[in-house]
Amino acid sequence: GPKVLQIPSHQIIDMGQMVTLNCDPVSNHLYFYWYKQILGQQMEFLVNFYNGKVMEKSKLFKDQFSVERPDGSYFTLKIQPTALEDSAVYFCASSLLKDTQYFGPGTRLLVL
Amino acid sequence: QQQVRQSSQSLTVWEGETAILNCSYENSAFDYFPWYQQFPGEGPALLIAIRSVSDKKEDGRFTIFFNKREKNLSLHIKDSQPGDSATYFCAASANAGAKLTFGGGTRLTVRP
Repeated sequence: GPKVLQIPSHQIIDMGQMVTLNCDPVSNHLYFYWYKQILGQQMEFLVNFYNGKVMEKSKLFKDQFSVERPDGSYFTLKIQPTALEDSAVYFCASSLLKDTQYFGPGTRLLVL
Repeated sequence: QQQVRQSSQSLTVWEGETAILNCSYENSAFDYFPWYQQFPGEGPALLIAIRSVSDKKEDGRFTIFFNKREKNLSLHIKDSQPGDSATYFCAASANAGAKLTFGGGTRLTVRP
């Protein structure tokens, strides 16, 4: 099926640093999403993005988070500054229209 | 309060048996219910999905049974194979393409 790629697969950083998680969505998809999964817990929605704008965000999408897709390339999630509770696996997803979401393999973020 | 709940964290069946994974939800506005399969170290992959206008959806060995009145659904995996061993997530959205709300997942083990 359609492939979503995420770079890097793992990232370890010190608390307070900035991190950018990159997502390469399916090429013709128009809607983009980030989800967060803490070990042993449910996957939770963070934000979705369409036509250059955030459509909806959850309470987990703190002020330190931002998303963008410059020049139609990677869809990025930036966290600045990071906190210990940001340690999780972050999954990117994309969909063509308002339909099936395809997920990437995740980026495992560890904040020390 | 969990909006989407999967009753079993884990389930073990023998090869050839039918595995039944249960899911219930709270929000009456949910009308789209995908099931995702996830292997360790990978992202969730869409397995099968149903809309609330239907009470059954079948795709090969996988069948969703949906009960709108009771707000529950189940995924049946016929003739289970060891390769089906994975974590299965029930998810829901108020309309396809909106944010997905995930259940906690059921880890299925199929013993040969």
